[in-house]
Order: sequence, then C-alpha cells, then structure tokens
Amino acid sequence: AQTVTQSQPEMSVQEAETVTLSCTYDTSENNYYLFWYKQPPSRQMILVIRQEAYKQQNATENRFSVNFQKAAKSFSLKISDSQLGDTAMYFCAFMTTGGFKTIFGAGTRLFVKA
Amino acid sequence: ETGVTQTPRHLVMGMTNKKSLKCEQHLGHNAMYWYKQSAKKPLELMFVYNFKEQTENNSVPSRFSPECPNSSHLFLHLHTLQPEDSALYLCASSQVVYRDSRESSGYTFGSGTRLTVV
Repeated sequence: AQTVTQSQPEMSVQEAETVTLSCTYDTSENNYYLFWYKQPPSRQMILVIRQEAYKQQNATENRFSVNFQKAAKSFSLKISDSQLGDTAMYFCAFMTTGGFKTIFGAGTRLFVKA
Repeated sequence: ETGVTQTPRHLVMGMTNKKSLKCEQHLGHNAMYWYKQSAKKPLELMFVYNFKEQTENNSVPSRFSPECPNSSHLFLHLHTLQPEDSALYLCASSQVVYRDSRESSGYTFGSGTRLTVV
C-alpha cells in the first residue's frame, strides 16, 4: 500500500523569504504522479504543481518548485519569495498510473508573516 | 469560478434526516470523486466515478450513497448519519485521457460542503 508522509505539521516563514515543505512517500510502483495541493482558509483545494515520476527534471511553476528524489522517495516543495497569500494548508499527494485513487498526506500548515 | 461547484456550502442535519450533497463540474472532465476531510486526518477517498461508472467504493458505510447521473453531476445522498460523520466533504474532478488509462492532470476541487450532524 502507498503512503504519504508530511513530517511538518506547521511551519512559518517571513514574507519574501524561501521555505521548503517536506514530503516522503512509499510505493513499489515505478510509474506514478506526485502533486502538491494548497488549501487556503477559503477551503478551495488548488493544484500547485505536478510531477511525473518518469521525468527526472524537477517541475517548476513560477515561485513554486519541487525537489524530486525518486530513489529516496522524497518530493519537497520550495516556495520562493513567500507572499501573504501563500498562507494555507499544503498537501502532498501520490497517484499511481494504475488507479484513480490519490493518496494525500496529512498536510503542513504554512503561515507567512508580514 | 473554479469549474467545480458544490452545494450547499454548509449543512446541519439531525441523525434521522435525509439530505443530499450536489457537485457539478463544467470542465468537461470524465472522472469525479468524493473525499471526506476531517480535522487532523488525511483526506479520505470515498467514491470514484469514471465515465459515470463507479470504479471505487472505499469501504464507505451504506448511509452514504453516491449517484452520478452524467459526467457533469455527482451527488452524495445521506441518511441516518452519525455525529462522527461531521466533516468537510469535497468533490473533485479530473480528466482521464483514456477510459482504461490512469493518465490524469490532477484534480480540480470544489469548495466543499461543511456537514454537521447533530
């Protein structure tokens, strides 16, 4: 069975600084997808970034980038130039190409301070 | 407008009531999902519909009954719920490239229904 672990329940960062959220996962699959979702206080879960396991190049979306280490089963999210609007719960998620089920981590609550 | 609309936004119901949650997506996606989000717990997958067919029922109690009349609409019918069923219920949709493929670009979520069972 696949599992996703986010070891940081809460983090805080000063506005304009950089923060990294950790995520590890466990699977015996070779092909899969990894995601980071953001859930602000408005409750709307938003897809932040997506990574295909067969791609060695780390995904990047504007200020958001990932460090994907397939052998270590690690998938961290780096937020550069943090903004107040980045305050939210961040969920790491895993999905195999052999099923529809997406497994979510427990989440990391990020506070961006002015 | 996110493309996935859930109604109602809030719902308070007694344990003997029957109610329904509605989800509607206008993205042309062909897979829809119900998730339960409880405090301090990871999101729990409840049901998956792919091309209107239920492909997964994640050991959900029968007091939750899903319905997917077409690829744009998804319902969750509730009856004789328990207080521990109080949670945020999230609907999501995704585009699956091929019927038997699991290619997906990720989920688009609705804003959820905050359910309180009293």
